[in-house]
Amino acid sequence: DAKTTQPTSMDCAEGRAANLPCNHSTISGNEYVYWYRQIHSQGPQYIIHGLKNNETNEMASLIITEDRKSSTLILPHATLRDTAVYYCIVRSYQLTFGKGTKLSVIP
Amino acid sequence: EAQVTQNPRYLITVTGKKLTVTCSQNMNHEYMSWYRQDPGLGLRQIYYSMNVEVTDKGDVPEGYKVSRKEKRNFPLILESPSPNQTSLYFCASSPFGADIYGYTFGSGTRLTVV
Repeated sequence: DAKTTQPTSMDCAEGRAANLPCNHSTISGNEYVYWYRQIHSQGPQYIIHGLKNNETNEMASLIITEDRKSSTLILPHATLRDTAVYYCIVRSYQLTFGKGTKLSVIP
Repeated sequence: EAQVTQNPRYLITVTGKKLTVTCSQNMNHEYMSWYRQDPGLGLRQIYYSMNVEVTDKGDVPEGYKVSRKEKRNFPLILESPSPNQTSLYFCASSPFGADIYGYTFGSGTRLTVV
């Protein structure tokens, strides 16, 4: 599976969009980009995934660059409850978690 | 409600006393997996199962056993627990074709071995 690089931490003001970047320069053609988040010590929660095209669901949007070497998770209107560690994972089958980005939403 | 259920949520035990952490899913998922989470080390996969009677080692299988006799259940067995197995454990499941579906995780089991 391709390795991912994410910033260790980010802050976002409540109500603003949170843009979380992820680099995955060694991604191969059949690997999906997945995003999960973990709030405190709860079980990780699936957010969104994509292969080539941008994706949107009720939680977030995923923007994947044309060369697929990086992506951005967008939480359009961050709330305090979005404070969590966000994991970007590139995989063909197994999930391998890195350190993720700790997002702090500030009032 | 579709979910992955782990029991117990908290467990304190003594070194060497065999224990089982249960995991059950009600979504008819083929794929199930166990992870442990430790500070500074993140989530690491212990074992996974792609279907009934099919199990395989993850990244940190030493000291653990699993079984998959039924589709819905995937218990994690510690035959002789040691203090270095003190950790937060998560079970997860996914439909077959897990590269195109997200995983559903349980709420976790916090195990302390003294």
